[in-house]
Amino acid sequence: SQELEQSPQSLIVQEGKNLTINCTSSKTLYGLYWYKQKYGEGLIFLMMLQKGGEEKSHEKITAKLDEKKQQSSLHITASQPSHAGIYLCGAGKDSGYSTLTFGKGTMLLVSP
Amino acid sequence: KAGVTQTPRYLIKTRGQQVTLSCSPISGHRSVSWYQQTPGQGLQFLFEYFSETQRNKGNFPGRFSGRQFSNSRSEMNVSTLELGDSALYLCASSGTGAGNTEAFFGQGTRLTVV
Repeated sequence: SQELEQSPQSLIVQEGKNLTINCTSSKTLYGLYWYKQKYGEGLIFLMMLQKGGEEKSHEKITAKLDEKKQQSSLHITASQPSHAGIYLCGAGKDSGYSTLTFGKGTMLLVSP
Repeated sequence: KAGVTQTPRYLIKTRGQQVTLSCSPISGHRSVSWYQQTPGQGLQFLFEYFSETQRNKGNFPGRFSGRQFSNSRSEMNVSTLELGDSALYLCASSGTGAGNTEAFFGQGTRLTVV
């Protein structure tokens, strides 16, 4: 079965600093999803990447997909306290179904 | 456009009881997937329904079941509850399910089994 490994597991950054979270898959990626979760709440959809080399941005968050490396990275520029939370990457099972395998998550804390 | 709605938000049940959780997807979405989230195992896929048919199933015991209605609303049922079933249950809604499409999650139902 597909496994997704996220790194780092947790991260504390000072407000205003940039940061990167990585997600590496053990198998071919069919769509890579990034979500943000506040503790105990639902997942907030950030973006979905489908093609190798694809890069998407939403406000100060940018995600890239490296299909060859089976890896995606999420980059936050000029972090703010509102960016704090758990970031989860999820991968589609295959091209036919909307079922996702998730990484364990990266907990981000932003200190003032 | 309303988001994914899960009810109830919180539940406390006793071991051995059964529970039913509900998920109303985004209007027009036909695929509903259910996930269990625990601190130890993270997010794990339970099952997916599309047009009232279970299309995919995760590795959970038969005590976990689900169904989808003609209006795409979905319910999941857990019978003979165990302490280990305590978790946040999340459902995700997506459009046609053809190819990998954007999947949107509800706020979840926090189930506590005592």
